[in-house]
Amino acid sequence: LAKTTQPISMDSYEGQEVNITCSHNNIATNDYITWYQQFPSQGPRFIIQGYKTKVTNEVASLFIPADRKSSTLSLPRVSLSDTAVYYCLVGDGQAGTALIFGKGTTLSVSS
Amino acid sequence: NAGVTQTPKFRILKIGQSMTLQCTQDMNHNYMYWYRQDPGMGLKLIYYSVGAGITDKGEVPNGYNVSRSTTEDFPLRLELAAPSQTSVYFCASSYPGTANQPQHFGDGTRLSIL
Repeated sequence: LAKTTQPISMDSYEGQEVNITCSHNNIATNDYITWYQQFPSQGPRFIIQGYKTKVTNEVASLFIPADRKSSTLSLPRVSLSDTAVYYCLVGDGQAGTALIFGKGTTLSVSS
Repeated sequence: NAGVTQTPKFRILKIGQSMTLQCTQDMNHNYMYWYRQDPGMGLKLIYYSVGAGITDKGEVPNGYNVSRSTTEDFPLRLELAAPSQTSVYFCASSYPGTANQPQHFGDGTRLSIL
């Protein structure tokens, strides 16, 4: 299983762009990169997923370089409500490996 | 659309008691999972199921049991509760297939063993 490394915490102000980078040096050919968001007292919520290059949806962008050994979650113009823990996960979708959640990155957004 | 529903939301148990955490999903997902999350930590997989009648151990299965008699339900059983099982328990479900099919999580059951 590919292990991921991401910063423990990040601070930002409202309106700024936040980039959270995740390292996954041992990513396998069949692995996808998925990001989840978790608010206090709630279960994680899927944000975005990608395999290579760039993926964008209504809430975030995911940048993946050609070697796929890292990825960057980009949150444009964050607000106070984006304060949460963000998890980077790598896997091939097989249920047995499921998802390995590390400690994630705690993002704190201030006004 | 209810998604993944977990009951109860909170529970306090005494050491040695047993209980069942309920999880049901209405999305017709084949895959279902149970995780635990200790304070300040990520989630750890306890058990998972790829379909009715099929279950398997995850990373931390000791002290727990599961069953999957229907596609919708995936209860988690704690036998002989211990303080080390104090945690927040999350149930999740997803479609099978390639890539990491997004998992849909319930809001958790907060369990304290005293």
